Amino acid sequence: YVLTQAPSVSVAPGQTAKISCGGNNIGSTNVHWYQQKPGQAPVLVVYDDSDRPSGIPERFSGSHSGNTATLTISRVEAGDEADYYCQVWDSSSDPKGLYVFGAGTKVTVL
Amino acid sequence: QVQLVQSGAEMRQPGSSVKVSCEASGDTFSNNAISWVRQIPGQGLEYMGGIIPFFGTTNYARNFQGRVLMTTDKSTSTAYMTLSSLRSDDTAVYFCARETAVAKPDAYFFDAWGQGTLVTVSS
Repeated sequence: YVLTQAPSVSVAPGQTAKISCGGNNIGSTNVHWYQQKPGQAPVLVVYDDSDRPSGIPERFSGSHSGNTATLTISRVEAGDEADYYCQVWDSSSDPKGLYVFGAGTKVTVL
Repeated sequence: QVQLVQSGAEMRQPGSSVKVSCEASGDTFSNNAISWVRQIPGQGLEYMGGIIPFFGTTNYARNFQGRVLMTTDKSTSTAYMTLSSLRSDDTAVYFCARETAVAKPDAYFFDAWGQGTLVTVSS
């Protein structure tokens, strides 16, 4: 199972960044998103398509439509510059299931 | 909230093995699977497999079957990942992460991560 992400997105401070994640029949599964800054571990920012863990700003939101899931960052700040990965749990490729990550999208704040 | 603390950086020669530890604190250790994810420098995240401490059951990704061993010590709330027959392309940061699911039983994701352990394989 393959998740497709654009390699990079550039956005000016205060604007909105949209990061997409495509996959075959992705609409039938829950999508989760992680933020990873250089030299740090990933951090969960959205789970189950659109829920936010405690401590994650409301500026981060997720949506899901058809074969694409989208992470939206509103009112982008310099501190949002990072790599963002989408992830699903795939039980179709392996009977025991496995985690599948997108290749990641680097968000650059101009 | 669980916290995961990993062992320090390691350097190994090709053909050898490395064992990385991941100590959990702040929450019940046995109930959630602990998975291992690696990141080769400059690349994305790759799932290696996971273990459920309560049962000791493991699930290894195909790319690592035969070379990886995941174990736990419930008495110390520590998970271990041993990777053998190391090659230079195993040079990477290895993360442990706690698995959970909220909306439905098979919608798994990671709600906590260790800080990562750099393993360098070089002669």
